[in-house]
Amino acid sequence: DQQVKQNSPSLSVQEGRISILNCDYTNSMFDYFLWYKKYPAEGPTFLISISSIKDKNEDGRFTVFLNKSAKHLSLHIVPSQPGDSAVYFCAATYSGNTGKLIFGQGTTLQVKP
Amino acid sequence: GAGVSQSPSNKVTEKGKDVELRCDPISGHTALYWYRQRLGQGLEFLIYFQGNSAPDKSGLPSDRFSAERTGESVSTLTIQRTQQEDSAVYLCASSLGPAHNEQFFGPGTRLTVL
Repeated sequence: DQQVKQNSPSLSVQEGRISILNCDYTNSMFDYFLWYKKYPAEGPTFLISISSIKDKNEDGRFTVFLNKSAKHLSLHIVPSQPGDSAVYFCAATYSGNTGKLIFGQGTTLQVKP
Repeated sequence: GAGVSQSPSNKVTEKGKDVELRCDPISGHTALYWYRQRLGQGLEFLIYFQGNSAPDKSGLPSDRFSAERTGESVSTLTIQRTQQEDSAVYLCASSLGPAHNEQFFGPGTRLTVL
């Protein structure tokens, strides 16, 4: 069963506009969520994370929002830049776990100049 | 400081052959993870090492898959009698420990089984 879902395989936005990437999860034990960015032929790189005790975390142009009741999180990128074009993965884990991450399928973001 | 490195970067093998994939984690990182990414899919967890023991092997898809780790250093993932469905990118990640959620990934090994 897919515990972490990214239902949009792709997203295209214009440079300077907002990009919103969405992620849903089913396991209520998850208490820590991460977003990773991946360029072709490279490993994923950590972008931003959020603990379940928060509903928002911001780092520069990147903000992650968590809605625990809806089991939904989103990543906002403002303003979007062409260099943001990559595959974005949502991942989740929970305390007391081995630390293994459960990943969504990824969303390919294309930012057009 | 060096990041996580993996070798080889690409491996093409024939069905039925054994392959060995290597991961060098970041120095000082006690936790090491193996994931794989099949085409068009997300990363799926394979195995977790804390030091040289593997308390979580729940993601290994079959007994053809095994892994070991030397101390808090190099890890090798071995796939015996490879099958075409083993074709994927195999990614290694390390972290300071299981309580440290940020994992640092290597570039991966792309395995193609013909």
